[in-house]
Amino acid sequence: EDQVTQSPEALRLQEGESSSLNCSYTVSGLRGLFWYRQDPGKGPEFLFTLYSAGEEKEKERLKATLTKKESFLHITAPKPEDSATYLCAARGAGSYQLTFGKGTKLSVIP
Amino acid sequence: DAGVTQSPTHLIKTRGQQVTLRCSPKSGHDTVSWYQQALGQGPQFIFQYYEEEERQRGNFPDRFSGHQFPNYSSELNVNALLLGDSALYLCASSSGRDPYEQYFGPGTRLTVT
Repeated sequence: EDQVTQSPEALRLQEGESSSLNCSYTVSGLRGLFWYRQDPGKGPEFLFTLYSAGEEKEKERLKATLTKKESFLHITAPKPEDSATYLCAARGAGSYQLTFGKGTKLSVIP
Repeated sequence: DAGVTQSPTHLIKTRGQQVTLRCSPKSGHDTVSWYQQALGQGPQFIFQYYEEEERQRGNFPDRFSGHQFPNYSSELNVNALLLGDSALYLCASSSGRDPYEQYFGPGTRLTVT
């Protein structure tokens, strides 16, 4: 059974204090690792897709990386508007569903 | 470019009742997936529709059923509602040619009393 575990559950950062969120996955034949941002009461907003170990993608202050067992979402010099829950999801071979972790709730304090 | 839309936004139902939720996919997308998200949890896959057929189903009982129309829009039906069905129901759309990237709508908040 596919499993995705995210850590930490919650993270408080000062504005400008860089950090990383972790996503560990156990998936048979990874067909994609996805990162989403979710604001309270809203649907997840697509950020990145990574397909193979060593791949990296960047968007503004966010950079996602992928290894054979984990993915990291690096946040550089965060701002208060980066506060949200960040969700990681994986898709395995022969499957169309995304298996999500529980998310990391990020709070950036001015 | 219109994104994924869902209706209604909020819904309150009583135990035992039935509910229908609606979703219109992003322009150019032909595949619709439904997810249930309980408070503080990640979304859980219910099922996916492609070419008006249920292509894959998650671990949800038969009380959860769906439909996809020729214009690719979709409905999620839940019968015999339980208190535990209270959640945010999310619709995600994707392209059949690249089904990996799923884009989510704003969700429907269902409360069962």
